[in-house]
Amino acid sequence: NAGVTQTPKFRILKIGQSMTLQCTQDMNHNYMYWYRQDPGMGLKLIYYSVGAGITDKGEVPNGYNVSRSTTEDFPLRLELAAPSQTSVYFCASRTRGAEGTQYFGPGTRLLVL
Amino acid sequence: SQKIEQNSEALNIQEGKTATLTCNYTNYSPAYLQWYRQDPGRGPVFLLLIRENEKEKRKERLKVTFDTTLKQSLFHITASQPADSATYLCALGVDNYGQNFVFGPGTRLSVLP
Repeated sequence: NAGVTQTPKFRILKIGQSMTLQCTQDMNHNYMYWYRQDPGMGLKLIYYSVGAGITDKGEVPNGYNVSRSTTEDFPLRLELAAPSQTSVYFCASRTRGAEGTQYFGPGTRLLVL
Repeated sequence: SQKIEQNSEALNIQEGKTATLTCNYTNYSPAYLQWYRQDPGRGPVFLLLIRENEKEKRKERLKVTFDTTLKQSLFHITASQPADSATYLCALGVDNYGQNFVFGPGTRLSVLP
């Protein structure tokens, strides 16, 4: 199993550009998450999904959109990039059940200039 | 307001000693608490979970305690090694369905040879 994969690893965007961060998991997990991590800060939840076709906002959803058309994929869309979105983005997945541990991808580092 | 804090941004200890990391929270009632390890440039990796009705959990050289009265968890690494150097994150499970997690900012541990 590859686990959770994310692409790209690193990207530089200009202000106002858009992009999609890709996330795929091959563990047949129902739950998937997108977090951002700023230097010296904890992970902040952007969006999550409890299954295909179901998504919900986390703590910091503004400026982002998600979709979940399949169990495996959970892309994160930035429509109009802003410098405040410079961060490292992590995707995670877990099984159903209250105590399931999260498996994280390697992260995407995004720089908005 | 709701807050989750970890005792210090960085902790240096000598090899062989016990490292103790603290996670404090306010205005949450977590059903469980998790600890993760994060190495530079990588996603967090799950270490241990402790439920609200458990006082202590162990796994090899790791020990976690959870005091819901003090709203605090302690994470211990005994006989620490330089390979234990990493950032350690605590995460609260803040709903009974396991949908939402809140992460602390992390403590960067350095074990000196």
